[in-house]
Amino acid sequence: GENVEQHPSTLSVQEGDSAVIKCTYSDSASNYFPWYKQELGKGPQLIIDIRSNVGEKKDQRIAVTLNKTAKHFSLHITETQPEDSAVYFCAASVLSSYGKLTFGQGTILTVHP
Amino acid sequence: GAVVSQHPSWVICKSGTSVKIECRSLDFQATTMFWYRQFPKQSLMLMATSNEGSKATYEQGVEKDKFLINHASLTLSTLTVTSAHPEDSSFYICSARDMPRDEQYFGPGTRLTVT
Repeated sequence: GENVEQHPSTLSVQEGDSAVIKCTYSDSASNYFPWYKQELGKGPQLIIDIRSNVGEKKDQRIAVTLNKTAKHFSLHITETQPEDSAVYFCAASVLSSYGKLTFGQGTILTVHP
Repeated sequence: GAVVSQHPSWVICKSGTSVKIECRSLDFQATTMFWYRQFPKQSLMLMATSNEGSKATYEQGVEKDKFLINHASLTLSTLTVTSAHPEDSSFYICSARDMPRDEQYFGPGTRLTVT
């Protein structure tokens, strides 16, 4: 089955700096890679996703890059703000199946004012 | 994005009783919903895949007789924790797959505490 590794487990940055979270996956059949943000006591919120037919996608301060050859994808947050502080999860799935997501271990991002 | 609700948001029950958690997709139809369990400071663990009109598919190690899942309509799936014990205390989260967009949206979660 699919295995997703996520690094780092914790990330501390100053407000205004950039933050990068990296994930690797094992199943070459995976073709959908979403990123979720989870705040304490809440459910995960989809913040951006990328499909295997593109290499990069951007939405305001958030971007995701995908390297299919190396089987890794990354989340980039620019101009970080304190409200970006949360746990971030990457995931991978094969869309042609039921779409079952395999999650990474999560990254606790702390943005210091 | 699409909205998924869960009810209740938190519940406290006594050991040996059963608890039902509802998951609803509010603005889209979901033929597939998923149930996860999350322990503090850990990732989400998939418990089962729920398909409308058919039996749920459980992940290895998850007791299907203890965690009953019913996906009776395209907008509602329920998880019933039967004969709950303190070790079942956890944060249960559902998600629903929005097929046209191929995106998965999560509910706000249900905190279950078994005393």
